[in-house]
Amino acid sequence: DADVTQTPRNRITKTGKRIMLECSQTKGHDRMYWYRQDPGLGLRLIYYSFDVKDINKGEISDGYSVSRQAQAKFSLSLESAIPNQTALYFCATSDPGLVADTQYFGPGTRLTVL
Amino acid sequence: AQSVTQLDSHVSVSEGTPVLLRCNYSSSYSPSLFWYVQHPNKGLQLLLKYTSAATLVKGINGFEAEFKKSETSFHLTKPSAHMSDAAEYFCVVSGGSNYKLTFGKGTLLTVNP
Repeated sequence: DADVTQTPRNRITKTGKRIMLECSQTKGHDRMYWYRQDPGLGLRLIYYSFDVKDINKGEISDGYSVSRQAQAKFSLSLESAIPNQTALYFCATSDPGLVADTQYFGPGTRLTVL
Repeated sequence: AQSVTQLDSHVSVSEGTPVLLRCNYSSSYSPSLFWYVQHPNKGLQLLLKYTSAATLVKGINGFEAEFKKSETSFHLTKPSAHMSDAAEYFCVVSGGSNYKLTFGKGTLLTVNP
């Protein structure tokens, strides 16, 4: 079984709808992240969480919210989806390293907002 | 502040020939550097990472990268390309806050038979 799983893998929705993307991990890591990937732009950080009580905004958090339900679960919500939120979304986890965390990524959720 | 520039958006090689994917970085701190690979419809997989130990880093699937501080570069190489290497490759820098990763825009590697 994969260490980091994401559901759904694909989702098509309409403008204005509320959408939740879910991430679960079995790696036992405290740190979890949500990124979005757009063609030609690499990955950009939306939110991150260092433990259940710690939630932080990343560089592009507007229009998104998150919930850390447990150490192993981290959900991303789009309260009112808009077309420019069409992207590939990745969840990642890490353990704090002495020098730099190594992040482990899920398979991604492809979201299309019509 | 930190940034990453992947110098080629697309590299095309023939199977069995060497691969060179170029990456330059900028960081106000002693950086850690990573290469990730993304195969079509897959997540990102860590190829290798540099964290201030040996400057020549060996990764999975025969890839390696050399950290050159004087050139602020971290190029990815492989002696002989295989068809299964066709994918998108991301150079990533981490510095300062050790969780914060800055991604390059990616290099698409095509391997021709």
